[in-house]
Amino acid sequence: GAVVSQHPSWVICKSGTSVKIECRSLDFQATTMFWYRQFPKQSLMLMATSNEGSKATYEQGVEKDKFLINHASLTLSTLTVTSAHPEDSSFYICSARDRRGAYSYNEQFFGPGTRLTVL
Amino acid sequence: QKEVEQNSGPLSVPEGAIASLNCTYSDRGSQSFFWYRQYSGKSPELIMFIYSNGDKEDGRFTAQLNKASQYVSLLIRDSQPSDSATYLCASGANNQGGKLIFGQGTELSVKP
Repeated sequence: GAVVSQHPSWVICKSGTSVKIECRSLDFQATTMFWYRQFPKQSLMLMATSNEGSKATYEQGVEKDKFLINHASLTLSTLTVTSAHPEDSSFYICSARDRRGAYSYNEQFFGPGTRLTVL
Repeated sequence: QKEVEQNSGPLSVPEGAIASLNCTYSDRGSQSFFWYRQYSGKSPELIMFIYSNGDKEDGRFTAQLNKASQYVSLLIRDSQPSDSATYLCASGANNQGGKLIFGQGTELSVKP
């Protein structure tokens, strides 16, 4: 149980293009999904918190117009990197929190990640 | 600022030894604590969580929590080379909408 998938697993794009990353909870409903970015040899950096049916909450310093997040259902959230530039190249990871676990101690289950390379 | 601190390592132990990973947190409102393992190039995977003072054991792994000292640890018994990874400690509080605060991770290397 508690499987989260991401698609694509890797993507290479040209500077200026937009890239959409999907995050799905496969065997549970996720009230909340989180999007992280991780640069080499660094820890996870939370970008935003996404709740189904409402606007995402972005962390300080994250441009909401550049990183568009949509959480259309309890099993799907998408992150769109708009007008990507080389400095956006990173490992993007989503995680999901089980709906049943409103007080189940906040465990998050991570997707396998998407490696984005912007040329 | 709520923080979770870990020694970045690398921590090197011989195969079969006990690896001890430590973590401290600053937010006394934290209620749950997590250990994730992350292999190079992969995403984190949950090993254990703990929310009560004391020890919690799962196979070769034991998590320890001391809320008075704001200290969490993970012991790995009979360490194997396959345990070589970065271990992330995280804390969560119920009033934070499910957000976790992650430490910077400790790199563990188990030598055959």
